[in-house]
Amino acid sequence: DAGVIQSPRHEVTEMGQEVTLRCKPISGHNSLFWYRQTMMRGLELLIYFNNNVPIDDSGMPEDRFSAKMPNASFSTLKIQPSEPRDSAVYFCASSQGTAGVLRDFGAGTRLSVL
Amino acid sequence: QQQVKQSPQSLIVQKGGISIINCAYENTAFDYFPWYQQFPGKGPALLIAIRPDVSEKKEGRFTISFNKSAKQFSLHIMDSQPGDSATYFCAASEETEGGSNYKLTFGKGTLLTVNP
Repeated sequence: DAGVIQSPRHEVTEMGQEVTLRCKPISGHNSLFWYRQTMMRGLELLIYFNNNVPIDDSGMPEDRFSAKMPNASFSTLKIQPSEPRDSAVYFCASSQGTAGVLRDFGAGTRLSVL
Repeated sequence: QQQVKQSPQSLIVQKGGISIINCAYENTAFDYFPWYQQFPGKGPALLIAIRPDVSEKKEGRFTISFNKSAKQFSLHIMDSQPGDSATYFCAASEETEGGSNYKLTFGKGTLLTVNP
């Protein structure tokens, strides 16, 4: 099992540009999470999908952020337009079952918005 | 408002010693308390978790102690090894109407260094 796969691992972009982060969950897992990690705020849940359906997006900071899960094996997190304060490490994680117990994260995408 | 307070921020322990990390919470509705381990350049990974109906849970060298009345829980790492050097996060969640504990509130993390 390759675990949760995220791409790219690092992204450097300029303010105002569109950024798309990608995630492939563990096969068979039906819960998917996007988290953001910063020094100031720690780990924050952005959005939670169950069976490809967004269940809770209350953590999405602004309308500039959007997430999709078109099928069980792929999800994207898009920021448009990006701002310097979006600089963070973005993690995707997946779990099996409806309990939403978070077990394994991907290695993360380190985003730097200049 | 920080709902889960974690201490210390950093901890240095000698090989073979006991590492202790503490967390305190405010929301009495929290009913699931996991701990995560994160190595540099990696995502956090679930280490061990406890529910408030037990006061202690042990898995190998890792033990969670839980004090419901004090609203505190702690992670003990026995016989600490250099390979345990990582950042440790406590977290807490309350069960939703659908029976899910997905919405975790994380502590700020503790950087553990185990010297050889």
